[in-house]
Amino acid sequence: DAGVIQSPRHEVTEMGQEVTLRCKPISGHDYLFWYRQTMMRGLELLIYFNNNVPIDDSGMPEDRFSAKMPNASFSTLKIQPSEPRDSAVYFCASSPSGGAGWTQYFGPGTRLTVL
Amino acid sequence: AQSVTQPDIHITVSEGASLELRCNYSYGATPYLFWYVQSPGQGLQLLLKYFSGDTLVQGIKGFEAEFKRSQSSFNLRKPSVHWSDAAEYFCAIIIQGAQKLVFGQGTRLTINP
Repeated sequence: DAGVIQSPRHEVTEMGQEVTLRCKPISGHDYLFWYRQTMMRGLELLIYFNNNVPIDDSGMPEDRFSAKMPNASFSTLKIQPSEPRDSAVYFCASSPSGGAGWTQYFGPGTRLTVL
Repeated sequence: AQSVTQPDIHITVSEGASLELRCNYSYGATPYLFWYVQSPGQGLQLLLKYFSGDTLVQGIKGFEAEFKRSQSSFNLRKPSVHWSDAAEYFCAIIIQGAQKLVFGQGTRLTINP
């Protein structure tokens, strides 16, 4: 079974540039989550969607961050403009609804470095 | 607010020794509980979960965890570790009625040969 797919796996960019991270959730999963992992703050939820609709974006750090889910099989997290403090590993996760809906399955992550 | 505490930032054990990683949570009711493992450069893999029922749950790779309501704990155990178990381990909770995972800070496990 294909798991959660993220691209790119690594991204190096310069401060001020736009960065777009991509995620394909597991087919049939209704929920999609974006997390950020840093040494200082650990794993933190940025935003999550249910049936392509953003439900909670309270973890999005600031207006430079935006996320979209145009359809059930694709989501993007965009940072514009990027800053060095955005350097982190960004994870996408998905989960089904119903009785098994509390289990989230994670992608391999995108390691972002902003110079 | 709900929180998860993993008291041990780093643990070193010898290969073949037993292992226990601690996890405590703060929440008024019983949350859903998870343990994930993250190998270097990899994503998070689910080891096991507890929703209800038997408080001793079995997971993959020979891991088990025990939920103790009185202690608000969900400690992870393995009777005999292998060098391939070296990784970072995260305890997490979901509050019933919400979908948000709250993670502990993680415990890094090093295995001595």
